[in-house]
Amino acid sequence: QKEVEQDPGPLSVPEGAIVSLNCTYSNSAFQYFMWYRQYSRKGPELLMYTYSSGNKEDGRFTAQVDKSSKYISLFIRDSQPSDSATYLCAMKNYGQNFVFGPGTRLSVLP
Amino acid sequence: GAVVSQHPSWVICKSGTSVKIECRSLDFQATTMFWYRQFPKQSLMLMATSNEGSKATYEQGVEKDKFLINHASLTLSTLTVTSAHPEDSSFYICSAEPGTASYEQYFGPGTRLTVT
Repeated sequence: QKEVEQDPGPLSVPEGAIVSLNCTYSNSAFQYFMWYRQYSRKGPELLMYTYSSGNKEDGRFTAQVDKSSKYISLFIRDSQPSDSATYLCAMKNYGQNFVFGPGTRLSVLP
Repeated sequence: GAVVSQHPSWVICKSGTSVKIECRSLDFQATTMFWYRQFPKQSLMLMATSNEGSKATYEQGVEKDKFLINHASLTLSTLTVTSAHPEDSSFYICSAEPGTASYEQYFGPGTRLTVT
């Protein structure tokens, strides 16, 4: 079992839809969780950063962490074609390096 | 926001030559920088972690004599691919952590290396 699992997609949704992106993990020691957006041939861009369990909202983006289920989610409301990218989750424990998921490719169709 | 730059953005070199890639944190000091490699449609693979003024820590399977990393200052790290071969062709991305109080990593735009 991989340490971090993520459905690679591709996930196609119509413009305006609510998108749900998820990652599961096996290491219960993870404390820090991040979501990145990566456009083709570009470096990843940090979207959300959360510590431990709970929700965090930033504009159209909401990140959720459920440590009891070892499950994290990123929700995108009112999705736009410009949201089309690969979304990577990443997580770590104190003193360790981040572990990245393989990424989910999202296409938002106009 | 925190900005990380990389140079060059794209480089083509001949087999057997060496290539240097620079990574700079433009508006913050980075105590730790990371170098990743990414193949098409695959996730990031951590190659090494570098701390300013000390030797880099390489991940298992990464040849430290082939991928030379220097973290000369709090804003600059370099990756030199020595004696490059076609199989080294990849997308190399660096990232930087602003400091010990935060674990956010900010990525550079990446460098596409093609070895002919």
